[in-house]
Amino acid sequence: GAGVSQSPSNKVTEKGKDVELRCDPISGHTALYWYRQSLGQGLEFLIYFQGNSAPDKSGLPSDRFSAERTGGSVSTLTIQRTQQEDSAVYLCASSLHSNQPQHFGDGTRLSIL
Amino acid sequence: GESVGLHLPTLSVQEGDNSIINCAYSNSASDYFIWYKQESGKGPQFIIDIRSNMDKRQGQRVTVLLNKTVKHLSLQIAATQPGDSAVYFCAEYSKLTFGKGITLSVRP
Repeated sequence: GAGVSQSPSNKVTEKGKDVELRCDPISGHTALYWYRQSLGQGLEFLIYFQGNSAPDKSGLPSDRFSAERTGGSVSTLTIQRTQQEDSAVYLCASSLHSNQPQHFGDGTRLSIL
Repeated sequence: GESVGLHLPTLSVQEGDNSIINCAYSNSASDYFIWYKQESGKGPQFIIDIRSNMDKRQGQRVTVLLNKTVKHLSLQIAATQPGDSAVYFCAEYSKLTFGKGITLSVRP
């Protein structure tokens, strides 16, 4: 069956530009998560959506970062005015419900020049 | 502060030997833990989970042990194979906290 799909798989952009990263979760999964993974580091939690509840944005590093989840399915992570320190792999995961195993996509590798 | 961490950054084992990867957590209220495997260029892949009402759980070639007294969990891989080479993460779910990961390298 289809897993979590992320696009693009790679993104190179200039400092100061805005970027949008897309996540298609597994159908029927109510919970969706975004993480950031820098080279050789663990996963840094960014934001969590659960059903129709207000998202948990406690992990977003600055107000340049935002995310939305439309119709309880597809999610977009937007980074405005990108900085070089934003370079990382951005991973999306979904789970059937919260406190259930998360299934990850293969991530978007973002490089800021 | 709360953290989930792995004791060693790398582990090298001989093919066919058993591997043990350890993880410590600091939040005594944690009630759900998961081990993930991440291969290069891929997202983390679920291996096995355990809830706090259990001390041990077994899967295919893998066993997770949870010691709530010392806030420690471990992943045991039996008869380690070259395909097991990857980075392994422990994750504590009550606050979506992941350890940094340990690299398992299997020598042929």
